[in-house]
Amino acid sequence: KAGVTQTPRYLIKTRGQQVTLSCSPISGHRSVSWYQQTPGQGLQFLFEYFSETQRNKGNFPGRFSGRQFSNSRSEMNVSTLELGDSALYLCASSSGGQRNTEAFFGQGTRLTVV
Amino acid sequence: SQQGEEDPQALSIQEGENATMNCSYKTSINNLQWYRQNSGRGLVHLILIRSNEREKHSGRLRVTLDTSKKSSSLLITASRAADTASYFCATDTLGYSTLTFGKGTMLLVSP
Repeated sequence: KAGVTQTPRYLIKTRGQQVTLSCSPISGHRSVSWYQQTPGQGLQFLFEYFSETQRNKGNFPGRFSGRQFSNSRSEMNVSTLELGDSALYLCASSSGGQRNTEAFFGQGTRLTVV
Repeated sequence: SQQGEEDPQALSIQEGENATMNCSYKTSINNLQWYRQNSGRGLVHLILIRSNEREKHSGRLRVTLDTSKKSSSLLITASRAADTASYFCATDTLGYSTLTFGKGTMLLVSP
């Protein structure tokens, strides 16, 4: 069974640009969550998509957005990039059940904003 | 916000020794999970323990959960150099499936 695939693995962008990250979950999983990891703030929840709908949202500005497609693949978009957006962005795949929350992560996308 | 707090922040041991990491959290939980992360890469799922369970084993891993103290521990027995990584606990609450992570414990296992 294939794991969670995130693309690209590395990105370098300039301030003010926008970026789109992609995540393909484990086959059969309907929930995709996104997390941002920085040395200062640790792992922070961005949002969760379940069956193409945003189910939960973390405390991030509106520049961070996402979507999920009918095949459960998800994309995350960050507009008007700031230096502070440099981070490892991790995608988690789970069945989406409220009781079984076992989540499996991809290798992450390392975003550097210069 | 961080729900879990891992303790210690860093742990250095020799191969063959046992490593124990602790996690404390603040609110009632549904499940608690432990993850490993190697050098800024993705998180590897280690084990999930439900709020009604007290202990769980997986290979060289043993996890305990004490809901009355809002704490969990991860024991790695007979550590190997390959166990060198950061370890995180993550909790979720019933009806809210997202995970809240602690800041992690950095484990260094020397040959």
